[in-house]
Amino acid sequence: GEDVEQSLFLSVREGDSSVINCTYTDSSSTYLYWYKQEPGAGLQLLTYIFSNMDMKQDQRLTVLLNKKDKHLSLRIADTQTGDSAIYFCAERAGNNRKLIWGLGTSLAVNP
Amino acid sequence: DAGVIQSPRHEVTEMGQEVTLRCKPISGHDYLFWYRQTMMRGLELLIYFNNNVPIDDSGMPEDRFSAKMPNASFSTLKIQPSEPRDSAVYFCASSKQGFGSTEAFFGQGTRLTVV
Repeated sequence: GEDVEQSLFLSVREGDSSVINCTYTDSSSTYLYWYKQEPGAGLQLLTYIFSNMDMKQDQRLTVLLNKKDKHLSLRIADTQTGDSAIYFCAERAGNNRKLIWGLGTSLAVNP
Repeated sequence: DAGVIQSPRHEVTEMGQEVTLRCKPISGHDYLFWYRQTMMRGLELLIYFNNNVPIDDSGMPEDRFSAKMPNASFSTLKIQPSEPRDSAVYFCASSKQGFGSTEAFFGQGTRLTVV
């Protein structure tokens, strides 16, 4: 079945770049998403990429998609303490509204 | 718009009691999703609606769980009877119909504790 995998924890120093990785299994994925969850809050969409793109940049965020390897990454440049949160990778296949979610990567930013 | 509104934010109940979680989606959104989040299983889709009609309830754990959407601005998730293993954060999300990325907007969640 469909599956999305992420590493569970990442720790970086303030000012460094963070790279959060995700792998997925469904080759028919159309959209891939990165959501952010801060403590005690719901999930918020950070960015997304359409499956015919390799890269998308949005200010400090860079998303890379390797469709051949089914690998997605999120790079956060100049990571700040406010970036500490759980980051979820999710995929959507076709016009299906159902998203398949990873377990989330908990990012800790140390001063 | 105030976003997706869920109530209550926290619920503590005794095993065997009925629990009702409520959700008001964003006005104009056609899709409504109920998720459950636990440390062990992550984020699980329980059920989703399109235009108030349940489309996929394959994620509903068992018959103790039921969800309704009587109109476009209100949905409930009911657990009867509740069990300690139902303790989790329950999220409601909504999105608009249409092509494109169709971002899902999440509520703040209801933290349910069954003792």
